[in-house]
Amino acid sequence: AQSVTQLGSHVSVSEGALVLLRCNYSSSVPPYLFWYVQYPNQGLQLLLKYTTGATLVKGINGFEAEFKKSEASFHLTKPSAHMSDAAEYFCAVSDPGGNNRLAFGKGNQVVVIP
Amino acid sequence: NAGVTQTPKFQVLKTGQSMTLQCAQDMNHEYMSWYRQDPGMGLRLIHYSVGAGITDQGEVPNGYNVSRSTTEDFPLRLLSAAPSQTSVYFCASSYSTGRLYEQYFGPGTRLTVT
Repeated sequence: AQSVTQLGSHVSVSEGALVLLRCNYSSSVPPYLFWYVQYPNQGLQLLLKYTTGATLVKGINGFEAEFKKSEASFHLTKPSAHMSDAAEYFCAVSDPGGNNRLAFGKGNQVVVIP
Repeated sequence: NAGVTQTPKFQVLKTGQSMTLQCAQDMNHEYMSWYRQDPGMGLRLIHYSVGAGITDQGEVPNGYNVSRSTTEDFPLRLLSAAPSQTSVYFCASSYSTGRLYEQYFGPGTRLTVT
C-alpha cells in the first residue's frame, strides 16, 4: 500500500523567505505524486503533479517540487513566501496502474509572518 | 461548468439520525470519490466509484453507504450518525481510471454529530 509522510503539522515562514515543505512516500511501484493546497473553508486545489519525465515540476503560484527517487521524496518549495501562501498543503501519491485512488499525507499548515 | 458541487455546506445531526450528503459533477467524469478530513489526519478515502453502477470501499468505509445510479451524482449516506463521523466531507471527480487524471474537489460539507 502506498503512503505519504509529511513532518511538522505547522510551518511558520517569514514573508519573503523560502518555503520548504517535505514529503516522503512509500510505494512499491514508481508513483504519481501531487501537491494540493487548501485555503480556509475551501476545497483542495492542485498545485502541481509529477507523472514521468522531468523530475523538477513547476506549478501554480510560483511553487515547484523535485522528485528524487533515491530519497523517495517530493519536497515542495517556493523561493519567496507571500502572505497569500498561508494555507494547508497536502502531498498525495497515486498508483499509476491502479484505480486513481489517492493516499494523502497529514498536511502542513503554513503560517506566513509579516 | 459548475464543476463539483456539494450540498449542504453545513449540517448538524443528533446521534442515530440518518442523512445523505449530495455530490454532483457536470464534467462527465467517470470516477468519483468521497473523502473525510479530520484535523491532523489528512484526507481519507471513504468510497469511490469508477462509473455508474460500480462502487467500492476505500480506507474508512464503515458507517457509510454509496450508490451511483447516474454519471453525474454520487450521494453519501449515513444510516445512523455517530459523533465519530463529525468531520469535513469532500467529494472529488476525475476522468477515467487506469491513467492519471487530475481529481477535482468540491467545496466540502462540514458535519457535526452531537
